[in-house]
Amino acid sequence: AQKITQTQPGMFVQEKEAVTLDCTYDTSDPSYGLFWYKQPSSGEMIFLIYQGSYDQQNATEGRYSLNFQKARKSANLVISASQLGDSAMYFCAMRDFGSARQLTFGSGTQLTVLP
Amino acid sequence: GAVVSQHPSWVICKSGTSVKIECRSLDFQATTMFWYRQFPKQSLMLMATSNEGSKATYEQGVEKDKFLINHASLTLSTLTVTSAHPEDSSFYICSASAGTGNTAEAFFGQGTRLTVV
Repeated sequence: AQKITQTQPGMFVQEKEAVTLDCTYDTSDPSYGLFWYKQPSSGEMIFLIYQGSYDQQNATEGRYSLNFQKARKSANLVISASQLGDSAMYFCAMRDFGSARQLTFGSGTQLTVLP
Repeated sequence: GAVVSQHPSWVICKSGTSVKIECRSLDFQATTMFWYRQFPKQSLMLMATSNEGSKATYEQGVEKDKFLINHASLTLSTLTVTSAHPEDSSFYICSASAGTGNTAEAFFGQGTRLTVV
């Protein structure tokens, strides 16, 4: 069975600083995909970045990058130059390629960007 | 990009009544949609997988007679909370993937905040 662990319930970062949100996972499937979503207080789920298990390079999308360490089974999200609008709940999620394409989510990290 | 629309955004209902939530894929066909439930400050928990033209697959512990799912077309899935009680108050959110590949992005509806009084 898949499992996603986010050990940081809450994080604070100063505006314009970088922040790393931790995510570790466990799966027996050699093929899987890792996702990060942002959920502001409005509740919508906003897709940020994707990393495939066979991808050789770490994924990047603008200010978001994924620090993928396969051997350690970690997929940390790095947000550079934090902005006040980045304050939200962040979820790490995984889909293994044997599933029906549903996502398994971690418990989330509440990020607060301080002015 | 692909859009999933969920309606209503919020609903307040009396205990004992039923509430229907709609999830529509606006610009793609979705043979499979997923329904999640989220309590405050918690993660999304998969309730069921909605399959077009067939019965939904429910996760362990989810009452299929209480949470009725219908996926009558390739663009619409509905979740009906029957005989709602205060403990059913939660945030319900649906998702669908635009592609068939396993890397396909999952698009989410806006979510529905259900309050049962």
